[in-house]
Amino acid sequence: DAKTTQPPSMDCAEGRAANLPCNHSTISGNEYVYWYRQIHSQGPQYIIHGLKNNETNEMASLIITEDRKSSTLILPHATLRDTAVYYCIVRVGRTSYDKVIFGPGTSLSVIP
Amino acid sequence: NAGVTQTPKFQVLKTGQSMTLQCAQDMNHEYMSWYRQDPGMGLRLIHYSVGAGITDQGEVPNGYNVSRSTTEDFPLRLLSAAPSQTSVYFCASSSSRREQETQYFGPGTRLLVL
Repeated sequence: DAKTTQPPSMDCAEGRAANLPCNHSTISGNEYVYWYRQIHSQGPQYIIHGLKNNETNEMASLIITEDRKSSTLILPHATLRDTAVYYCIVRVGRTSYDKVIFGPGTSLSVIP
Repeated sequence: NAGVTQTPKFQVLKTGQSMTLQCAQDMNHEYMSWYRQDPGMGLRLIHYSVGAGITDQGEVPNGYNVSRSTTEDFPLRLLSAAPSQTSVYFCASSSSRREQETQYFGPGTRLLVL
């Protein structure tokens, strides 16, 4: 079973920030939070990941709550090209290879 | 680097036929995986490999075989195709050498079984 829960769909106005929530209440201390997205018909694309600190890269920001039971992916200025399915995944890092399980994700629609 | 490549891009099979979906990566990654994605659903893990000669089952392994004779290649075999195997298949690879590896996905193979 997937270890995360996400809303099935969200809308966001173009140019506004898109905030995508993810619940991972059973996350273990050595598990990272990863975000991927899948634009229609393409292979999933890595966005960002984090352990307990907030992270930012050129694509997005990741906010992880202090208890690590939930997180939010932020796309600061959503564009039409950000319309995609976004997957939140928890997985162990370097020390072992676990079965990476994708849930159904959140379908984000960016509206002009 | 070409990254993760998959062939063919499209394939139509008749029930009972066999075929092999090819996956190759040129990043010297130890970990490789096969996923299937059905319409409106997330990705489901079929089989994965943590290195040459080592494979293991994922969530939905029935009807599929894999082998990993080299680091670069991870083919997925359908021995007797069934309509339930109509899906889009994605191959992925990742490295164990970095602190937090990310998965790189191929472009997918779209399979229709009649």
